[in-house]
This record gives sequence, structure tokens and C-alpha cells, in this order.
Amino acid sequence: DAMVIQNPRYQVTQFGKPVTLSCSQTLNHNVMYWYQQKSSQAPKLLFHYYDKDFNNEADTPDNFQSRRPNTSFCFLDIRSPGLGDAAMYLCATSRVEGTQNFGPGTRLLVL
Amino acid sequence: AQSVAQPEDQVNVAEGNPLTVKCTYSVSGNPYLFWYVQYPNRGLQFLLKYITGDNLVKGSYGFEAEFNKSQTSFHLKKPSALVSDSALYFCAVRRADTGGFKTIFGAGTRLFVKA
Repeated sequence: DAMVIQNPRYQVTQFGKPVTLSCSQTLNHNVMYWYQQKSSQAPKLLFHYYDKDFNNEADTPDNFQSRRPNTSFCFLDIRSPGLGDAAMYLCATSRVEGTQNFGPGTRLLVL
Repeated sequence: AQSVAQPEDQVNVAEGNPLTVKCTYSVSGNPYLFWYVQYPNRGLQFLLKYITGDNLVKGSYGFEAEFNKSQTSFHLKKPSALVSDSALYFCAVRRADTGGFKTIFGAGTRLFVKA
């Protein structure tokens, strides 16, 4: 089945230790998104790619970076995680029309 | 600027009764409107969308929503609730005409269906 896959499902890191979350898709969608979601709140868009075109939200901290080496994969790098970065990170994909297919999420815990 | 309001943090309904989860939006130009559902520790799942055409849209699991342009609303409805419908529901909006992909999500409404 076509899907969005996120690895790992749970990630524990130490304060200040860089961490990378990964997302892959078999849907061949042009657009890939990264969201941060805290405590069942609204998902907050961090950035998105339209093909190779990167779009950063104005309020996304510099601590958060992303890479999309090809259509199928997208990575979220957190350079120096703080306690406030503990959250669920959701990857999603869409075609141009915009209906988003979400992955299961990666829950990040910062110790 | 785009915004979405879900005025109810929580909706309680008895199994078998109709349910409504409210959503109003603000967007310049024509909107694309979406409903997503989230179960615990899971990603969001698409339920239905309004892009253009018939104001009443039908989606997954028996849900439907009505686009009301004059009231800028897109309320989610189901004629007969199931206990398994208990989950967190998000309304979302995106501008249709800019070519951008930014989607704004509402704060979410938690639906409890009691047996």
C-alpha cells in the first residue's frame, strides 16, 4: 500500500545532542511537510518542500533544519534539542491540490 | 491571513445520536477546507474536503460536512455516532488561489461518544 513512513516511532535524545528524524513516502507526491504537535494541540507547520523548493515558516526556530535528497525522503534535523522541543513530529505529503497524507509520527523525548 | 476556529474543545454525544463538530474559517479568496481525525499516538487521517462544487461533501466513515460561504463555516456531521468515532478532530483551511501549500489547522475538538 502507498504510504508515509516515519522512523523511528519514538526517539529519545539528550539535551543539546543533535537528532535526525526521517520520513519516506511511496505516494510520489510533490509536497512534503514537517509539523510539530504538542499535547494534542493543532499541528504547527515547520516547513515544507514543493519538489526541491524549500519553504520555511517565519517562526520556525533556526535549530530546526530539513533536507530532501530526493522525492521519496525528507529529514528533520534538530541541531541542539531543548526540553521545549519534546513533541510529536508529523510528516505529511500531498499533491498540488493539498489533501495531506500523514505518517504515524515520531514522538521525541528530550532528557 | 488565514485562521480556523473550532469553538468547542470537547463534544459529548450518546451512541446512535447525531453529532456536529463546528468549524469556522477566515481566508482571503476561495478556501480549500479539510477535516482530519486523529486517534491517540497516531498521525492525522483525512476525512473529507471541500474544493469546489456541491456544498455538501461526504467523506469516510459516514461523515459529511457542509460548506456555508455566507457563514464561513464547514461543520462536520454524522447522522448516527459510534463509540469508535471518539477521537480528536481537526478542521483545516488553505487558500485556493495562491499556489502556496500552507494549511492552517484549528485547535481541535475532542469527540466523546458514550455507549
